[in-house]
Parts: sequence; C-alpha cells; structure tokens
Amino acid sequence: DVVMTQSPLSLPVTLGQPASISCRSSQGLVHSDGNTYLNWFHQRPGQSPRRLIYKISNRDSGVPDRFSGSGSGTDFTLKISRVEAEDVGVYYCMQGTHPYTFGQGTKLEIK
Amino acid sequence: QVQLQESGPGLVKPSETLSLTCTVSGGSVSSGSYYWSWIRQPPGKGLEWIAYIFYTGRTSYNPSLKSRVTISLDTSKNQFSLKLSSVTAADTAMYFCARDINGGGTTAAHWGQGTLVTVSS
Repeated sequence: DVVMTQSPLSLPVTLGQPASISCRSSQGLVHSDGNTYLNWFHQRPGQSPRRLIYKISNRDSGVPDRFSGSGSGTDFTLKISRVEAEDVGVYYCMQGTHPYTFGQGTKLEIK
Repeated sequence: QVQLQESGPGLVKPSETLSLTCTVSGGSVSSGSYYWSWIRQPPGKGLEWIAYIFYTGRTSYNPSLKSRVTISLDTSKNQFSLKLSSVTAADTAMYFCARDINGGGTTAAHWGQGTLVTVSS
C-alpha cells in the first residue's frame, strides 16, 4: 500500500494568516499515463468531504484562489494564502495513482 | 446535478455481512466514464477508501479489505452496492459513496451524505 503521511496533524492559525500542510507519499505518484494523481480534500464537522485540488495543483470549480497545491515526486503541499473562518476543519491528501489511499488528516483551527 | 444517497441497515451483528446501496440521481452509473467509490470513516477518525467500480464494471479494492469486500453495479436501478463480510467492531464507521474522487480534470467529485453503520450484537 502507498502510505500518505501528513504534517502537521494539528494546525492552529490566526485569521488572515497563511497556512501550509505537507503530504508525503511512500512511493512515487507518477501514473503510467504521465499524470500525478494527488488530491486534497476539506471536511467540515458533520459534512462530507469536498475536493479542493486534483492532480497536484488544479483547483476544483468554485474553490477560492487562496487555496493552492504544489509538489512533485513524493512531496506535496497545500497552502492557504489567508485563512478565513470557513476554512476550519480537517484536510486530507489522497493519492489516486495506485489503489487510493488517504493521509491521516490535518485539523485546522482558528487561534 | 448528480446526487448520491446511501442506504442500508444502521446496525449489523459481528461476523455478519454489511450491505449498503448507493442510489444515483441526475446521472447514469453505466455511462460517462465515471468511477464509483465507497469510502468509510470510523467515528472521530480519518477517511479510508474501500473500493471503486468503473462504469464498465472494472473494479479496484483496498488491499487490506479486498478479501472481504465486493462492489457491484445495478444499472437497472441506477445504483451501486457494497458488501463487506465477516464484520467486527472495527468496521463501525460512517460509510460514504462517491463519484470520481480521484480528479482527472474532466469531472467534479460528488459525495453522498454518508450512512452510519454500527457493528454490535
């Protein structure tokens, strides 16, 4: 199995400040089709997850541009340029190159 | 707009088989090059992908669950289903069905609201 390791697991952030979450995979995520299937999801308490980013850096429709994804190989990052109150919740990375696996989740809270 | 709704027993006895169905509206399970997945989340814990089925019927399973899981399509009812055998308390979780959680760039991801399944005698 491909293990996805996120850090930090807890992320207290002041409103308006930036935030960054790291995701590392135990194997490379380049698919045989040349794409790297690394996704980021956000889950608010009591809600289903929502995908924010696909293929490392592509924002899904309706996702604010304060969210950005980057990385390559086995190291990936989700950045929020200026945290807003609605950004609280848990963020998960997920690889889809091999049988899918999720990271453990990073809980973002407002300081 | 496609919508997904999970259904099934909320309580399953240990050693029995958990059976869930996802009913899809606003789209067809048998067309469109979609991947239909089951994902679960134990209370207070993270997400675990269980399996997907492609619209052609091709399947992929989480290796750690593969021996106990079956995913299938019912095109006549526009549904897909999950069966998980020999359940234990560790299988207690919110179970979500979803479409295209792995982004390829052509379709959005859609999730159901989830259904809580408790394994207990």
